[in-house]
Amino acid sequence: LAKTTQPISMDSYEGQEVNITCSHNNIATNDYITWYQQFPSQGPRFIIQGYKTKVTNEVASLFIPADRKSSTLSLPRVSLSDTAVYYCLVGDMNTGFQKLVFGTGTRLLVSP
Amino acid sequence: ETGVTQSPTHLIKTRGQQVTLRCSSQSGHNTVSWYQQALGQGPQFIFQYYREEENGRGNFPPRFSGLQFPNYSSELNVNALELDDSALYLCASSLSGQGGSPLHFGNGTRLTVT
Repeated sequence: LAKTTQPISMDSYEGQEVNITCSHNNIATNDYITWYQQFPSQGPRFIIQGYKTKVTNEVASLFIPADRKSSTLSLPRVSLSDTAVYYCLVGDMNTGFQKLVFGTGTRLLVSP
Repeated sequence: ETGVTQSPTHLIKTRGQQVTLRCSSQSGHNTVSWYQQALGQGPQFIFQYYREEENGRGNFPPRFSGLQFPNYSSELNVNALELDDSALYLCASSLSGQGGSPLHFGNGTRLTVT
């Protein structure tokens, strides 16, 4: 199972762009990269998912280099409400993400 | 589209008791996974159900068991509760197979064992 490594915490200010990088050196061919956001006492919320290159949706962008051994979640112009824990995960969508391993995540603190 | 719902939202039990937690999958999903999240930690995989059978299990003892029903809803049962079982229990559903989907989580059941 691919293990991920991310920074434990990051600080930012409102309006800035935040980039959180995740390392997943042992990613398998069938693995997808997925990012989740979690607020206290709530379940993780899906942000974005990708397999290679770049994916963009209404809330974030995901950059994946050709070797897929890392990925970067980019949050444009963060606000106070983006203060949360962000998890990077890799897993095989075809197996329903069996045994998906969560690390400790990155605690993002956005200040005024 | 109805999301993943879990019940109850909070529960207090005494050590040694048994508990059943329930989860309704998001419509169109055929796979259910359960996670345990202790305070300040990331979610830990308990097990996964697909087509009403357990098809993956994490490092949890047999007193953690589950069921998946034909409508893809699921239960998590924990016997002989211990103080360390106090945690947020998360259910996640997904669509397995070609064209599958990411995991979608409910907001969990907060279990306190005293």
